[in-house]
Amino acid sequence: DAGVTQSPTHLIKTRGQQVTLRCSPKSGHDTVSWYQQALGQGPQFIFQYYEEEERQRGNFPDRFSGHQFPNYSSELNVNALLLGDSALYLCASSLWPLQGTYEQYFGPGTRLTVT
Amino acid sequence: LAKTTQPISMDSYEGQEVNITCSHNNIATNDYITWYQQFPSQGPRFIIQGYKTKVTNEVASLFIPADRKSSTLSLPRVSLSDTAVYYCLVGGPGAAGNKLTFGGGTRVLVKP
Repeated sequence: DAGVTQSPTHLIKTRGQQVTLRCSPKSGHDTVSWYQQALGQGPQFIFQYYEEEERQRGNFPDRFSGHQFPNYSSELNVNALLLGDSALYLCASSLWPLQGTYEQYFGPGTRLTVT
Repeated sequence: LAKTTQPISMDSYEGQEVNITCSHNNIATNDYITWYQQFPSQGPRFIIQGYKTKVTNEVASLFIPADRKSSTLSLPRVSLSDTAVYYCLVGGPGAAGNKLTFGGGTRVLVKP
């Protein structure tokens, strides 16, 4: 058990709606990254938070936004949902900055279905 | 980040050794090579990381030749539970290293 928790486990939304996904990092970690994984593909980096600020961002539109709280937990918000947003959303925690390691701890993910 | 190329899929049988080779021709001097394992409907799990030569842990071995343009993940005596997707990642340490770039991975199927 990596210690990263995500909620909810599954979610069904309608096109145009908004969704909020939540993540609690592994104890002692201060950095949270979010990834989107479409069926049959590798995870794609969305963005990363450290010290309550977005530090890096992948190639995702600004419909995707996030937040990190003082306790290091994080939220991912997606507005104006599209069918193509259906995917497994993964949260990963780590320490900032990584020194000589790529070891991130992933949560079980939230399966989002947009209908 | 350096681009990686790995086989789409591999089949094996229980008790055999599985070797997955990853090509990363444009690896940078300060890049590390890292492998993750992912089971269906779960998040990826860190397996092993190396910079050069050979690294071994309780799960796998990682072989990296001197030119570092490729690497091989070796899974000894696989079992059915090793059926998963294995991702090879290449990148440097520090802030940029927090951004993982996954390719398509290699789907390993272990048969009885």
